Amino acid sequence: AQKITQTQPGMFVQEKEAVTLDCTYDTSDPSYGLFWYKQPSSGEMIFLIYQGSYDQQNATEGRYSLNFQKARKSANLVISASQLGDSAMYFCAMTPFGNEKLTFGTGTRLTIIP
Amino acid sequence: EPEVTQTPSHQVTQMGQEVILRCVPISNHLYFYWYRQILGQKVEFLVSFYNNEISEKSEIFDDQFSVERPDGSNFTLKIRSTKLEDSAMYFCASSAVGSGYTFGSGTRLTVV
Repeated sequence: AQKITQTQPGMFVQEKEAVTLDCTYDTSDPSYGLFWYKQPSSGEMIFLIYQGSYDQQNATEGRYSLNFQKARKSANLVISASQLGDSAMYFCAMTPFGNEKLTFGTGTRLTIIP
Repeated sequence: EPEVTQTPSHQVTQMGQEVILRCVPISNHLYFYWYRQILGQKVEFLVSFYNNEISEKSEIFDDQFSVERPDGSNFTLKIRSTKLEDSAMYFCASSAVGSGYTFGSGTRLTVV
């Protein structure tokens, strides 16, 4: 069984500052994938970034980067230069390789303050 | 960019009624999923579907739920006799080997 833990229910960050959203995971699978999704108030799930467990380098996508520390079982999302439009719920999720189900964390509600 | 399409975006139904939520996955994807999210809570897995059969289902996915791929494009979730606690956002997703998971924009189901 897989488990995702997001310990920050809510965060407030000043616009233009960087923010780190925490995610730790637990799995017995030897290989797996880690995902971050953004859910704005409109409700849709927007894919942000992916990290495979065998990837040597941390994933980056524009202003998003994933700080992957395999030994610590953590996959924190870093958003650089935050914008007002970044205000949303953020979910960390994982799956074993092989198109199996995603297991989600409870999410972090990020609010960017002007 | 290819997308997963869900209809309707909102549905209100009376308790005990049957509802069918519809999804059109990305055309070259072979793996299909339904998730639900009760308001303000985490996203929960319901069922995965591959090669015209259920590959995995959660304990939430009881006999009241069923899925079907009636033709080459649609993927449906049926709830036979809705309960108040079925009120949630229902997300369809699809994936292919080597690809990520693409979610639809969801159907908000309200049972009254």
